[in-house]
Amino acid sequence: DAGVIQSPRHEVTEMGQEVTLRCKPISGHDYLFWYRQTMMRGLELLIYFNNNVPIDDSGMPEDRFSAKMPNASFSTLKIQPSEPRDSAVYFCASSPSSGTGRTEAFFGQGTRLTVV
Amino acid sequence: QKEVEQNSGPLSVPEGAIASLNCTYSDRGSQSFFWYRQYSGKSPELIMSIYSNGDKEDGRFTAQLNKASQYVSLLIRDSQPSDSATYLCAFKKYSSASKIIFGSGTRLSIRP
Repeated sequence: DAGVIQSPRHEVTEMGQEVTLRCKPISGHDYLFWYRQTMMRGLELLIYFNNNVPIDDSGMPEDRFSAKMPNASFSTLKIQPSEPRDSAVYFCASSPSSGTGRTEAFFGQGTRLTVV
Repeated sequence: QKEVEQNSGPLSVPEGAIASLNCTYSDRGSQSFFWYRQYSGKSPELIMSIYSNGDKEDGRFTAQLNKASQYVSLLIRDSQPSDSATYLCAFKKYSSASKIIFGSGTRLSIRP
């Protein structure tokens, strides 16, 4: 399996522009997570999906952030308009389901976003 | 109170010694615990998972879980320079079985 695939790997954009990050989870995994990592705040969970349905978006920082999962093999995280404080590494991760909950998250390579 | 607390380090350990990393969590109902390693500029990768009280060993790594005291630790024996990385502990919240929460990580440096 190719693992979790994220694109782009790097994104530099100007303040006020729209940014879309993309993720393809591991086939067969029915949980998908979006995390943001910064030096100050560590690895924060933004939102997660189960079977394409958003379950918990309490970590989404503002209305400028939105996430979708139109099908089992694709998800997007959109920031509009972007601000310099959104600069961070954004990770997508996926996980299979388990009745015992004993399954870990597998991470993509991340997207390094810089908003200037 | 943060859901997961880790000492940010850096923790400096001589090569060949034992590195000890600790993590405390606030949700008493948490059931699944994980240790991830993250090299600079890379994504986190799982190195250990533990679900029951006690010790779990895998090669040079030992994870320890104490649910009564709400802490989990990771021991790395015979530390190698390649172990230099940030170590993240994580847990699944019982109330939301698949929500995985991470600590901010401990930076470990193995000095020759």
